[in-house]
Amino acid sequence: AQKVTQAQTEISVVEKEDVTLDCVYETRDTTYYLFWYKQPPSGELVFLIRRNSFDEQNEISGRYSWNFQKSTSSFNFTITASQVVDSAVYFCALSGANTNAGKSTFGDGTTLTVKP
Amino acid sequence: KAGVTQTPRYLIKTRGQQVTLSCSPISGHRSVSWYQQTPGQGLQFLFEYFSETQRNKGNFPGRFSGRQFSNSRSEMNVSTLELGDSALYLCASTPLPGGYEQYFGPGTRLTVT
Repeated sequence: AQKVTQAQTEISVVEKEDVTLDCVYETRDTTYYLFWYKQPPSGELVFLIRRNSFDEQNEISGRYSWNFQKSTSSFNFTITASQVVDSAVYFCALSGANTNAGKSTFGDGTTLTVKP
Repeated sequence: KAGVTQTPRYLIKTRGQQVTLSCSPISGHRSVSWYQQTPGQGLQFLFEYFSETQRNKGNFPGRFSGRQFSNSRSEMNVSTLELGDSALYLCASTPLPGGYEQYFGPGTRLTVT
């Protein structure tokens, strides 16, 4: 069975602070995919990043960066110099390959509030 | 490209009724998944369709069903509605099954009274 744990339920920061959202996953699959999605107050989930299990290279995209470590089964997400518009619920998700490919398991989400 | 569209956006039903929700994927996307989102249970996978076939099903009772048409549009149906079915129902599409990122629609907010 697959499991995704986002231990931080809510995080509140002041604008321009850096913030890291934690994600720990469990799977027996050797091939799997990890994702981060953002759900702003409007409600629509927006895709942020995808990583496959064979690619542990960290990635930076503007103010966003992701740290994937298979050894600790973690896929953490950092926002540098946070802005009020970053306020949203962030979900980490996991999907397997082949027959499990379309069945994503989501964490419970981390609600990020960025105060001006 | 137009995004994933879901209709209706809001729905109010009474217990015991049935409801059908519709989802049109992004043009060219052939895989459609459905999720239920509630404050208590979070995002839970309902089912996934590809080429008009259900590939995966989550742990939901048989009152929840779905189908996919030849143009990849999908519908889900909930029969004999219960109060606990009140939720945001999200549809997501991908080009194919296989670990692609999912593109979500705005959801249908179902309220059961």
